[in-house]
Amino acid sequence: AQSVTQLDSQVPVFEEAPVELRCNYSSSVSVYLFWYVQYPNQGLQLLLKYLSGSTLVKGINGFEAEFNKSQTSFHLRKPSVHISDTAEYFCAVSPREGSSNTGKLIFGQGTTLQVKP
Amino acid sequence: NAGVTQTPKFRVLKTGQSMTLLCAQDMNHEYMYWYRQDPGMGLRLIHYSVGEGTTAKGEVPDGYNVSRLKKQNFLLGLESAAPSQTSVYFCASSPGTGGLRRSPLHFGNGTRLTVT
Repeated sequence: AQSVTQLDSQVPVFEEAPVELRCNYSSSVSVYLFWYVQYPNQGLQLLLKYLSGSTLVKGINGFEAEFNKSQTSFHLRKPSVHISDTAEYFCAVSPREGSSNTGKLIFGQGTTLQVKP
Repeated sequence: NAGVTQTPKFRVLKTGQSMTLLCAQDMNHEYMYWYRQDPGMGLRLIHYSVGEGTTAKGEVPDGYNVSRLKKQNFLLGLESAAPSQTSVYFCASSPGTGGLRRSPLHFGNGTRLTVT
């Protein structure tokens, strides 16, 4: 089984400051890792994903995340946030292979990023 | 392209009433999913389908039923609504085996359900 823990429920930050949203996961098998963003009253959109290869992955809107296998973490970062980045962010995992790989995602609890002017 | 469309967008039910949420996708995706979103709990999988005519239970299936009679549609039913089912419901789809490498889940905009 897999589980995902997002360590902060809310992260307030001033505009143009850097931000890190933390995500840790637990799994007995190898996983794919994802970050999704949800703007108010909308569905979820993919920010970035880690499938294999380089542990630093870049996504849309200037976000990036680093996969750390030894610490089972996949933290999301942005060097300078904008007001429009205010949203809820979800970390998610999916088993890589086997009969359990039906593509379903296991989500963390979500982190609300509040960017202040 | 419409992508994933959910109807209705909002609904208020009284305890014991029934309703069906409709999800339609126009991307010819094999896999479809129903999630519920509750504050502080993220998204939890209710049921999913890996193809027309097949369904399977997810993490929180109790109180819900689903059907996938057509590839493009995935219906979520509540036979006897309870206040604990007050939530935002999201439908998602993906291409299928190996598709997760090439394409993420595509989400609808959600249905906000209140049970009084």
